Amino acid sequence: GENVEQHPSTLSVQEGDSAVIKCTYSDSASNYFPWYKQELGKRPQLIIDIRSNVGEKKDQRIAVTLNKTAKHFSLHITETQPEDSAVYFCAARGGGGGADGLTFGKGTHLIIQP
Amino acid sequence: DVKVTQSSRYLVKRTGEKVFLECVQDMDHENMFWYRQDPGLGLRLIYFSYDVKMKEKGDIPEGYSVSREKKERFSLILESASTNQTSMYLCASSRGGVGRRDIQYFGAGTRLSVL
Repeated sequence: GENVEQHPSTLSVQEGDSAVIKCTYSDSASNYFPWYKQELGKRPQLIIDIRSNVGEKKDQRIAVTLNKTAKHFSLHITETQPEDSAVYFCAARGGGGGADGLTFGKGTHLIIQP
Repeated sequence: DVKVTQSSRYLVKRTGEKVFLECVQDMDHENMFWYRQDPGLGLRLIYFSYDVKMKEKGDIPEGYSVSREKKERFSLILESASTNQTSMYLCASSRGGVGRRDIQYFGAGTRLSVL
């Protein structure tokens, strides 16, 4: 099955700086890579996703890049703000079809220092 | 807005009890999922369902079963609860298919403690 590794487990950055979280996956057939943000005590919410036919996607301060050859993808947050503090999870879905569940990384606790 | 509702936010059960966790979605989604979330381990897939009465094992199905008698409802069953099943349980649903239809929406979670 799919295996997703996520680094770092904790990331502390100064407000206004950029943050980068990296993930690798094992199944070359995986075709969908979402990123979820989970604030303390709340449910995970999708913030951005990318499919295997695209190399990069951007939404305001958030961007995701995908390198299919190396089987890794990254989340980039620019101009970080206090409300960006949360746990971020990357995930991958295998190539078996739309019903397959997601395999998640273990999460990155992002701390924005004022 | 997609709404995924889990019937309980907190549950306390005793070892050996049969436990039902219920999840309902109101958007006519085809796919439903159960995950458990543990500190340092992320979210792990227990079971999923892509149609009524259909189910597929995820990565950690041992000790669990599921039921999907109606499209909107997906139940997770712990036949005989054990202390190592103390965890946060998250339900999710997706419309199904490709494109924007495969986005998963999560419920608020049920924190289960087995004593």
